[in-house]
Amino acid sequence: AQSVTQLGSHVSVSEGALVLLRCNYSSSVPPYLFWYVQYPNQGLQLLLKYTSAATLVKGINGFEAEFKKSETSFHLTKPSAHMSDAAEYFCAVSDWDRDDKIIFGKGTRLHILP
Amino acid sequence: DVKVTQSSRYLVKRTGEKVFLECVQDMDHENMFWYRQDPGLGLRLIYFSYDVKMKEKGDIPEGYSVSREKKERFSLILESASTNQTSMYLCASSPSGRVDYGYTFGSGTRLTVV
Repeated sequence: AQSVTQLGSHVSVSEGALVLLRCNYSSSVPPYLFWYVQYPNQGLQLLLKYTSAATLVKGINGFEAEFKKSETSFHLTKPSAHMSDAAEYFCAVSDWDRDDKIIFGKGTRLHILP
Repeated sequence: DVKVTQSSRYLVKRTGEKVFLECVQDMDHENMFWYRQDPGLGLRLIYFSYDVKMKEKGDIPEGYSVSREKKERFSLILESASTNQTSMYLCASSPSGRVDYGYTFGSGTRLTVV
């Protein structure tokens, strides 16, 4: 069965510093991988996705993620954090055992320090 | 712009009331999902539907039911609301056979049961 683990439920970075949010997945077949962002009191918005094309995926708001099969990872990065990046971020993996479903990680709340 | 619309952003209901949460999508998607989101627990799947009048239980269906009479509308029903159902409820949709598409989420309904 597929699963996804996000390391760290809370991450704090200073404004202008590198953002790194970690995600590891478990899948017996090549996965589709996603990162979603949730701003306070809103729904989830797709940030970027990996669907077996380029392993480095660029998303909205300057975020990118790299699919590393050997490490079963899909970490999210942004070179320079902005105050507006404060939100909760969810990593997700396709669930091939259950047709069109996606499995979500428990989320990482990103805090930006001034 | 594609949309998933949840009828209420905030709801306050009394214990024992029957509560209806409505979700409408305008993307002609076959799949629709209801999640609840609680701090530290991430997103938990309540029910999903692959087609009109079809429904399947997710991971935490107890205390909930659903209705899908039209393709665009998926309703979540709390038969007798309880305080432990206080939560953020998220609706999502996706096209059939396109797990690479990801999910489109509504803005959420924050339900408080008193």
